[in-house]
Amino acid sequence: QVQLVESGGGLVKPGGSLRLSCAASGFTFSDYYMSWIRQAPGKGLEWVSYISSSSSYTNYADSVKGRFTISRDNAKNSLYLQMNSLRAEDTAVYYCARVIVYDSSGQTTYFDYWGQGTLVTVSS
Amino acid sequence: SSELTQDPAVSVALGQTVRITCQGDSLRSYYASWYQQKPGQAPVLVIYGKNNRPSGIPDRFSGSSSGNTASLTITGAQAEDEADYYCNSRDSSGNWVFGGGTKLTVL
Repeated sequence: QVQLVESGGGLVKPGGSLRLSCAASGFTFSDYYMSWIRQAPGKGLEWVSYISSSSSYTNYADSVKGRFTISRDNAKNSLYLQMNSLRAEDTAVYYCARVIVYDSSGQTTYFDYWGQGTLVTVSS
Repeated sequence: SSELTQDPAVSVALGQTVRITCQGDSLRSYYASWYQQKPGQAPVLVIYGKNNRPSGIPDRFSGSSSGNTASLTITGAQAEDEADYYCNSRDSSGNWVFGGGTKLTVL
């Protein structure tokens, strides 16, 4: 069965860095786009970043562009999020999710499997 | 960047039908997907595309779309359907955007 397990969250001071990992199993990881999505305490979901199957394409939400870097290691079935220059507003549960591009037009996309999330707290 | 707008809260009597809506310009070009999230849990996909349900999602959940509005309908709401519901779609820049979420209360 598909499993996504995030790790690497924790407490970090403003301006600090953290690297999140997501270990994937139960599917051919290298065939899928992957994404990070976050949820601040008591708030809604916010898409953060995605990476294509071969790492050729990445993109970021404006709120994290220039500070976060998404990457993957297909040999290790792992997804990463390097977070630098962290701010209080980055405090959230970070989920990794598998991306499905359902049709060639890209008109239908969705996140079919999610991890349980890892909590990042940015506070002095 | 694009936005998706949802009503913050909706209520429904047990066994009745409820529609949760999502509005945004991106929905004119891209289908919405819908996610159910219960407290302390990760979101779960309930509807994607024109009107598709993943395996294991009850057929009381359905989706529709018209113009800039996507809808999630629960026909015969059950107590276990009480949750937060989020819509999502891709936008013109190739990113994704979520709605603010709708808290569904089953009375």
